[in-house]
Amino acid sequence: GENVEQHPSTLSVQEGDSAVIKCTYSDSASNYFPWYKQELGKRPQLIIDIRSNVGEKKDQRIAVTLNKTAKHFSLHITETQPEDSAVYFCAASITRGGANSKLTFGKGITLSVRP
Amino acid sequence: GAGVSQSPSNKVTEKGKDVELRCDPISGHTALYWYRQSLGQGLEFLIYFQGNSAPDKSGLPSDRFSAERTGGSVSTLTIQRTQQEDSAVYLCASSFFRTELFFGSGTQLSVL
Repeated sequence: GENVEQHPSTLSVQEGDSAVIKCTYSDSASNYFPWYKQELGKRPQLIIDIRSNVGEKKDQRIAVTLNKTAKHFSLHITETQPEDSAVYFCAASITRGGANSKLTFGKGITLSVRP
Repeated sequence: GAGVSQSPSNKVTEKGKDVELRCDPISGHTALYWYRQSLGQGLEFLIYFQGNSAPDKSGLPSDRFSAERTGGSVSTLTIQRTQQEDSAVYLCASSFFRTELFFGSGTQLSVL
């Protein structure tokens, strides 16, 4: 089955700097890659996703890039703010016929933004 | 409408007892997932229901774990003969086909 790994496990950046979180996946058939953010004591929420037919997607300060050949994708956060501090999970699944297969998550990365 | 609802929010049980965790998905959502989150760990997939298809049970850690989804809506995760290693937050999520997963607030299970 699919195996999703995240590196590093923790990341600390200065407010205003950029943060990059990387994930690798094992199943070349995976074609849907979302990122979820989980703030302390709260439930995970989708922040951005990308499908395999595009290489990059941006939404304000966040962007995701996908390298299908290398089977890795990355989350980029620019101009980080203290409220970006959270655990970030990447995930992968296979979408066929309009429905997703199970979504496999990585172990998460704890991002700390120092004021 | 309401989001994904899980009950109970907290459950303390003794080793060897059975527990049932309930999930009420968002109305109309066709897919329902159960994940387990242990302290400092990621989101461990347990089971996935999609419409009327057979559920994907590949993540259930042992035969002590089972889940059902009645009428394509409410789901119950049952853990029999609980063990201390079962202690975790059990998260339910629902989605509508290819859209995002909406998570419930979870059930914190503590096995003493």
